[in-house]
Amino acid sequence: EAEVAQSPRYKITEKSQAVAFWCDPISGHATLYWYRQILGQGPELLVQFQDESVVDDSQLPKDRFSAERLKGVDSTLKIQPAELGDSAMYLCASNRDRGSADTQYFGPGTRLTVL
Amino acid sequence: GNSVTQMEGPVTLSEEAFLTINCTYTATGYPSLFWYVQYPGEGLQLLLKATKADDKGSNKGFEATYRKETTSFHLEKGSVQVSDSAVYFCASAPSGTYKYIFGTGTRLKVLA
Repeated sequence: EAEVAQSPRYKITEKSQAVAFWCDPISGHATLYWYRQILGQGPELLVQFQDESVVDDSQLPKDRFSAERLKGVDSTLKIQPAELGDSAMYLCASNRDRGSADTQYFGPGTRLTVL
Repeated sequence: GNSVTQMEGPVTLSEEAFLTINCTYTATGYPSLFWYVQYPGEGLQLLLKATKADDKGSNKGFEATYRKETTSFHLEKGSVQVSDSAVYFCASAPSGTYKYIFGTGTRLKVLA
């Protein structure tokens, strides 16, 4: 069964450093999402791509966060500089289209700890 | 605005007990509704979903019915197992949007 791949699974960094996370969605899935999940809470959407285009980044802290999906396949989420409050699980998800009834498939996540 | 409210956990049950995790939503129109499960150290896995009123989603012994009149989508299982121990998230996707809105999650612990 196809899965969403993410790496690294764990990342520990010091504040003010740069970090990057990678996601490879299920083959053929045009839509890709990045979520942030703070411990004890549900995931919150950071950014959504349709192919290579950003369609929603309204919740992305653009002063320090950036995301790209250059060829419309895999994607990178970057934080620079990292802050203590960025410690969280970063989840990637994908689905075939943007319809609300279409299931989103999640990767295993990257757990970020900022010291 | 759109929101999802779940019962707070943790919920601790003995094996073979009956499970109910409450979920209510607020939304304009008729959202699609989902239950996801998250095992320790893993991402979210879809457990079941319903896309219109009175639909019942079911999977692995879990069920949830889309109740428009009470704006609810409660998760139930007749006999839980230790392996069901996880965090369960209710989510809605308001009609006409792609955005999932997640509840805060309910941790379930099943004791042997």
